[in-house]
Amino acid sequence: NAGVTQTPKFRVLKTGQSMTLLCAQDMNHEYMYWYRQDPGMGLRLIHYSVGEGTTAKGEVPDGYNVSRLKKQNFLLGLESAAPSQTSVYFCASTRSGRTYTGELFFGEGSRLTVL
Amino acid sequence: DQQVKQNSPSLSVQEGRISILNCDYTNSMFDYFLWYKKYPAEGPTFLISISSIKDKNEDGRFTVFLNKSAKHLSLHIVPSQPGDSAVYFCAALKRTASYDKVIFGPGTSLSVIP
Repeated sequence: NAGVTQTPKFRVLKTGQSMTLLCAQDMNHEYMYWYRQDPGMGLRLIHYSVGEGTTAKGEVPDGYNVSRLKKQNFLLGLESAAPSQTSVYFCASTRSGRTYTGELFFGEGSRLTVL
Repeated sequence: DQQVKQNSPSLSVQEGRISILNCDYTNSMFDYFLWYKKYPAEGPTFLISISSIKDKNEDGRFTVFLNKSAKHLSLHIVPSQPGDSAVYFCAALKRTASYDKVIFGPGTSLSVIP
C-alpha cells in the first residue's frame, strides 16, 4: 500500500546543477501538487496538476518546471539549482470533485541541499 | 501576506492534560479548515477538518472549534499523549475556478511530556 512515493529522499547539488524529483501515486488521484517546506513558512505550493498532461503555477513557481505525462507521475525539475532552493519538497495528491474537503495525501519528502 | 497564521511556534503540555493549538485566518471566503500532523522525516498527514458552516467537529480525542466572527480556529487534544508530539499545521481550503487551493500556516511544534 504505497500511496505517494518520492524519489530521491536526499540530494546534494552544486549551484547551477540540474535535477528532477519524481513523485508517483497509486491511488488514481486526478490532482497532484509539489510543495516546499521552509522553517517558519509552512508549506508553499510550487506547481500543481489537475490531470494528465496539464500543469499550472502555484505561489512560488520561479526556478522550477513540472511535467505530468502519466496520471500517476508528477515530476519536479530544477534546471539550474540555487542555494535558495535548499528545502524539503513534498509531493501530494488528492481526488477531484465537489466532495473534496481538503484532504491531501503526502509523500515522505525529499530533502534537497544546494551548495 | 500570510492568510493562515499560527502565532505559537511551539507548545509543551504534560501527558494527560489538554493541548490547545490555535490558528487565525484573514480570508472569510475559505470553505473548509483542516489540521495536519507531521512527524520528523515524514510527510504531513490529515488529522481533522471542519466546514466553514460548522462551529465544532469532534473525532475521538481531537476536537476542532471554529469562531467565524473572530476568524479563529483551535484544535483541542484531550487527553494528550506522548505520541501526539509532532508539528501541527493549520490549513484552509478555498475553492477556485481552476482548482481547490489549500493554504498552510507555518506550524506549531507540540511536545507532550510524559
